[in-house]
Amino acid sequence: EADIYQTPRYLVIGTGKKITLECSQTMGHDKMYWYQQDPGMELHLIHYSYGVNSTEKGDLSSESTVSRIRTEHFPLTLESARPSHTSQYLCASRPWDYQETQYFGPGTRLLVL
Amino acid sequence: GESVGLHLPTLSVQEGDNSIINCAYSNSASDYFIWYKQESGKGPQFIIDIRSNMDKRQGQRVTVLLNKTVKHLSLQIAATQPGDSAVYFCAENSGGSNYKLTFGKGTLLTVNP
Repeated sequence: EADIYQTPRYLVIGTGKKITLECSQTMGHDKMYWYQQDPGMELHLIHYSYGVNSTEKGDLSSESTVSRIRTEHFPLTLESARPSHTSQYLCASRPWDYQETQYFGPGTRLLVL
Repeated sequence: GESVGLHLPTLSVQEGDNSIINCAYSNSASDYFIWYKQESGKGPQFIIDIRSNMDKRQGQRVTVLLNKTVKHLSLQIAATQPGDSAVYFCAENSGGSNYKLTFGKGTLLTVNP
């Protein structure tokens, strides 16, 4: 299994602030993902990366952006947080091409006031 | 559009009973399916997976059944324990090399002692 770390675990912030959610994995996985999940609801893919310098938008439109400068690090940024961004954000990674299982971090719960 | 859905949003069982959680999928190109368990405040945890060339796969106390004829997936948990209480999600890879999973809405399993 992968060791996926997300910080912060919880964040309460005011409208208009810039925030960055951190995601790191120590297993050298090429593929990484960001999902948004409202309480009790399904996961929606908002960004993914095939490797360094590769990022793609997911199925759910999001105002966030991501970067992948290092294999182990996949941060997500909101330039100007709004109450509509309140949600849980989950990061995942996947080991190699023919292993399709994604392993998840603990998530970041974001509340924008 | 293509979707992965669940038949029952909630399931309540007695400790020691067997649990069955169902999932319907509509994309006939899906060739990989996975079940995740998500406890409150945590990220999804891998339980078991199955490829489309299989009908059944067993793990420790869990069995996944795949019926491609009716596009149905189920998760069976034997001798359900209080620690099994969680939300269970099925997910599918819609085939191809897009490396993405599509998640269903989730079933809340409650185990009564």
